Parts: sequence; C-alpha cells; structure tokens
Amino acid sequence: DSGVTQTPKHLITATGQRVTLRCSPRSGDLSVYWYQQSLDQGLQFLIQYYNGEERAKGNILERFSAQQFPDLHSELNLSSLELGDSALYFCASNIGSGANVLTFGAGSRLTVL
Amino acid sequence: AQTVTQSQPEMSVQEAETVTLSCTYDTSESDYYLFWYKQPPSRQMILVIRQEAYKQQNATENRFSVNFQKAAKSFSLKISDSQLGDAAMYFCAYRSPNTGNQFYFGTGTSLTVIP
Repeated sequence: DSGVTQTPKHLITATGQRVTLRCSPRSGDLSVYWYQQSLDQGLQFLIQYYNGEERAKGNILERFSAQQFPDLHSELNLSSLELGDSALYFCASNIGSGANVLTFGAGSRLTVL
Repeated sequence: AQTVTQSQPEMSVQEAETVTLSCTYDTSESDYYLFWYKQPPSRQMILVIRQEAYKQQNATENRFSVNFQKAAKSFSLKISDSQLGDAAMYFCAYRSPNTGNQFYFGTGTSLTVIP
C-alpha cells in the first residue's frame, strides 16, 4: 500500500456520460498529480495541484476538469466521455516544493463502452 | 519542456542474467532528479531507484543500479541476477526543480524475463 488511495478501482460507463475519480494523497503530501495511461502507452500528464491551487496543466482535454479540496483530496471529472477516454488514470502525490519522489496510487481503470 | 527518451520498447533477459535499460534526456538545467519506475502487470507504479544530478556516485538499490552520465545526459538502469518478478514495464523519469516540480516520463521499456 503506497498510501495514495484512488477510487473507484474500476469503472465502466457509456459514451456521453460523466464520471468522477477520487484521490486521497499520502498523509503529509500537499501536491497531487493526475496522469492518464492508455492501453500500452506511456504516462500522459494531465494536471497538478499544490495545497488546493492548480500548479501546472498538461495535455488535459477541455471535457476534463479537476480540483483539490481543503482536506487535500482531489477529484478528476471526465465528461462527455468518448471511447478514446478509456484508460488507466493515476493519481500521484508528494510533499510539494522541493520534493523529489512521486508516490502513485493503484489507478482507476475507466472503460467507456 | 524536458524530454525523456527510452529507445528500447522491448527487452528480454534470461533469468539470473544482467540486463541494461537505456534512457536519455534533454535538459539545460544543471540540478535535477532522475528516476526509474517499475510497472508490473498489476499496473501499480513502483519507484525502483533515484539519482540526484549533483551526485557523481551512481545510485544502487540491491540488484538495481544506474549508470548516470551527466555530460551525455544518459541514465541507464542495470538489473543484475534478473528474477521472474522483474518482468514489467520500466519508465525513466526526470524531475525538474524549475518547472513547478514537474515530472517527465519516457515511453517505457517492456522487460521480459525468460526462465
């Protein structure tokens, strides 16, 4: 157990729907990162938050949004889902500024039918 | 943005033998961190080893070691005495201290261990 908790582990939904993925960072970590990993692909950086504020944005679609709450958990919202959104979504956390390790959650596997 | 290149999409090694996975990166920064992460079939991302750029000594963690060549911007991973459990996708990653603590990942190398 890495200490980073992601829910749900698996999610199956239909095109056009909206889902929310949740992440609780490791205790003490202030920064949360979201990554997308499509089948047999590398990790695509989506977005990063630090202590509730957006820190960096990567290749995140306009249909996707995220936020980090005061208790530091984060949610990734995916809307108007398409088949191509099927992927493994990882959350990772670290202390933030000056940190040099990313700790990953187990991922949320999204299947869009 | 920094780029991380893993030029070997797939590698294989005989059990108990040694294998080296390659990674190169492009940066103009002088201070940064490099990592190797392992992703087994379970898909969990696991930190294998890390290297601080300001340290000349190569990092070692049990059977895993790196060959860090800063001038050449090369960061290879050597796995000694390969075990079946080493079979996984391996990702090289670069962490920049100057771009909001961003991590940049390579495309991965799939390692097969042959019994």
